[in-house]
Amino acid sequence: AQSVTQLDSQVPVFEEAPVELRCNYSSSVSVYLFWYVQYPNQGLQLLLKYLSGSTLVKGINGFEAEFNKSQTSFHLRKPSVHISDTAEYFCAVSGVTGGGNKLTFGTGTQLKVEL
Amino acid sequence: DVKVTQSSRYLVKRTGEKVFLECVQDMDHENMFWYRQDPGLGLRLIYFSYDVKMKEKGDIPEGYSVSREKKERFSLILESASTNQTSMYLCATDATARKNYGYTFGSGTRLTVV
Repeated sequence: AQSVTQLDSQVPVFEEAPVELRCNYSSSVSVYLFWYVQYPNQGLQLLLKYLSGSTLVKGINGFEAEFNKSQTSFHLRKPSVHISDTAEYFCAVSGVTGGGNKLTFGTGTQLKVEL
Repeated sequence: DVKVTQSSRYLVKRTGEKVFLECVQDMDHENMFWYRQDPGLGLRLIYFSYDVKMKEKGDIPEGYSVSREKKERFSLILESASTNQTSMYLCATDATARKNYGYTFGSGTRLTVV
């Protein structure tokens, strides 16, 4: 079984500042990792994913994340945020083998971008 | 693009009612999932299905059942709605059980049980 910890429930940041949203996972098997974004009153949208290969993954809207196996982390970063990035962000993990593609989600981080 | 459609955005039901939440996808995806989302708890898996007439319990199946009679449709059933089932319900699909490419989500159904 896998688990995900998003330590920060809320992250306030000023527009054009950099941001990092933290995600740590626990798993006894190799993993796939995902970040999703949810805008108010909408479903979740896939931002980026790590399946294999390069540990630095680039996604939509200028976001990127780095898979760090030794630290079991998959932190999400953006060098300069915009007001429109205000949303809730979810980190998720699934096992590479077994589990049938079930995703386990973190509790979410609310990113609030201020002027 | 895959489209996942949840039949209702908002529902208000009375305690004890039988409630059906419908999810339809327009691609030939094998996997379908039902999650509920609550503040501070993230998304929790209720049930999922790999194929027609196949279903498996997720982490919180109590009080729910599901039906998948056709590949494109996955229904979540609240047998006797209770106030603690007030939540946002999200349907998701995934192309294949062989590799996780990431889910596609519907817009969600916000259910209020009074």
